[in-house]
Amino acid sequence: DAKTTQPTSMDCAEGRAANLPCNHSTISGNEYVYWYRQIHSQGPQYIIHGLKNNETNEMASLIITEDRKSSTLILPHATLRDTAVYYCIVRAENAGTASKLTFGTGTRLQVTL
Amino acid sequence: DAGVIQSPRHEVTEMGQEVTLRCKPISGHNSLFWYRQTMMRGLELLIYFNNNVPIDDSGMPEDRFSAKMPNASFSTLKIQPSEPRDSAVYFCASSQGGASGNTIYFGEGSWLTVV
Repeated sequence: DAKTTQPTSMDCAEGRAANLPCNHSTISGNEYVYWYRQIHSQGPQYIIHGLKNNETNEMASLIITEDRKSSTLILPHATLRDTAVYYCIVRAENAGTASKLTFGTGTRLQVTL
Repeated sequence: DAGVIQSPRHEVTEMGQEVTLRCKPISGHNSLFWYRQTMMRGLELLIYFNNNVPIDDSGMPEDRFSAKMPNASFSTLKIQPSEPRDSAVYFCASSQGGASGNTIYFGEGSWLTVV
């Protein structure tokens, strides 16, 4: 699987947009970009994923650059409950079998008043 | 949907005892994953199944660990004998189909402490 690089930590003021960057310069054409988060003591929570196009759901937006070498997760109006570790994962296709997720160290997002 | 269900949520056991962790995947999902999380090593994939068949168990730390999936709705992760270094949070996850575009959903984890 392609490696990802994320900042170790970020801060964001409540109510502001949180923009979490991720570099994945070795991504292949059939690899998806996934974002998960983990709030303390809970299981990883799926946020969003994309292949080439930008994606938006009720939780967040995912912006993928045209060359696909980097992406940004956007939480439009961060709240204190968004404080968590955010993982950017490139997920490879595994022909004929299940495709796994390999977690890195993620970005610790602290939302403050 | 009930989500991925794991049991027990918390277990404290003595070194040398057998530990069995259980997982019920989301109904209709045919891929199942076991992960372990520690402060030192983060989230590690231990083993995963597709259609009840183990696909990759290269993450299983040693022979003391074993996992089974006797049917599509149940899986176990067993540690025998347990050691203090096995203390961790163990997560089970499932997805509908193994393709990389199919989302993997996680359970809330089983917190294991071996004393």
